[in-house]
Amino acid sequence: SQQGEEDPQALSIQEGENATMNCSYKTSINNLQWYRQNSGRGLVHLILIRSNEREKHSGRLRVTLDTSKKSSSLLITASRAADTASYFCASGRGTALIFGKGTTLSVSS
Amino acid sequence: GAVVSQHPSWVICKSGTSVKIECRSLDFQATTMFWYRQFPKQSLMLMATSNEGSKATYEQGVEKDKFLINHASLTLSTLTVTSAHPEDSSFYICSARDSDKLYGSEQYFGPGTRLTVT
Repeated sequence: SQQGEEDPQALSIQEGENATMNCSYKTSINNLQWYRQNSGRGLVHLILIRSNEREKHSGRLRVTLDTSKKSSSLLITASRAADTASYFCASGRGTALIFGKGTTLSVSS
Repeated sequence: GAVVSQHPSWVICKSGTSVKIECRSLDFQATTMFWYRQFPKQSLMLMATSNEGSKATYEQGVEKDKFLINHASLTLSTLTVTSAHPEDSSFYICSARDSDKLYGSEQYFGPGTRLTVT
């Protein structure tokens, strides 16, 4: 029951660069959330943006939401090696979350 | 606050046996909990929604007799993988919504349970 695609599937950058990940979803949503997962570990909630919001910031994170295009983007600025992880968007459908396929980010120092 | 635990964190079992995985909300009550499975290098797939005091709602393609879910209290949901087979080997993750929070708020995820069936 995956909702949509994430783009790119993998991203490799140098420390200090910005990383942008995109996510598309298929059905109407209440909110969209971004999560981070380190290899073999649980998920860490990063940020939630509601369907009536267009942009949200949290520290080095910036999330946008375009409900007309059913898409969202996550920007991580001034990336660090510790940002290396998989990032997933999850769209809220009622009370359940439907996850995208994820983007694997590698940040090299 | 908002901590969800899972037990065990990893388990190895033989084909044909059953395995129970527990998901607990430690500092909040959760009327609703969710179970996901994740294959290596893939995303999370929602398996079922666990509702306290009632039957779980399973996603299409998930066998309810294979994956038994019980949500007997506001802080505990269990997933039992019955008659496990090697193809059931996966990472199982639960999440919980805080019953006191507004509709559509974030879910809190457990650390996951890695199941290996030999």
